Amino acid sequence: SQQGEEDPQALSIQEGENATMNCSYKTSINNLQWYRQNSGRGLVHLILIRSNEREKHSGRLRVTLDTSKKSSSLLITASRAADTASYFCATDLGGGSNYKLTFGKGTLLTVNP
Amino acid sequence: SAVISQKPSRDICQRGTSLTIQCQVDSQVTMMFWYRQQPGQSLTLIATANQGSEATYESGFVIDKFPISRPNLTFSTLTVSNMSPEDSSIYLCSVGGGREKLFFGSGTQLSVL
Repeated sequence: SQQGEEDPQALSIQEGENATMNCSYKTSINNLQWYRQNSGRGLVHLILIRSNEREKHSGRLRVTLDTSKKSSSLLITASRAADTASYFCATDLGGGSNYKLTFGKGTLLTVNP
Repeated sequence: SAVISQKPSRDICQRGTSLTIQCQVDSQVTMMFWYRQQPGQSLTLIATANQGSEATYESGFVIDKFPISRPNLTFSTLTVSNMSPEDSSIYLCSVGGGREKLFFGSGTQLSVL
């Protein structure tokens, strides 16, 4: 079964609004990462948060991690039409197997101009 | 960062044929990864390709179906053999970047008729 599950599966908002996506996972992790995929193309790494961190910022992105609830959220502030994409969380279980990431099913974000 | 060139970007193939996907990286990397993304689904790791050794396949994937070559530190190929419509997916190669994140090629969208 999937390690990461994103919620919601799809989200449609207006330009300028904030978008929040959630990710839940099942087992202990080393870190959790968020990726963006435009139109079924390659994924682009957005941000990584380690298991001992609670919050990270990068530009308009804010990621939180709650290891007690095994969940993470990605907030995109002041969204733009160009943010339209699928967003995936990925978990790294650690244990010496760096890069062996388990991806969730993704949230399809549509930002309407 | 790593720049990854993947080709072909898309192909439509007949049942029973094979397709070889190429992945070229602009720098030398130890490990290259091949992922499959079935329609509307998440990414699933097929195998890890190390230069000079046999690829390591994940559960559910076998070498006879997905042979991989890794002749040097900047290049790898994945062949999808004896294709069926169930093999219709996006295939992605990726490499590890610093600090555990992954860089992805732009993907190969494969349709099998």
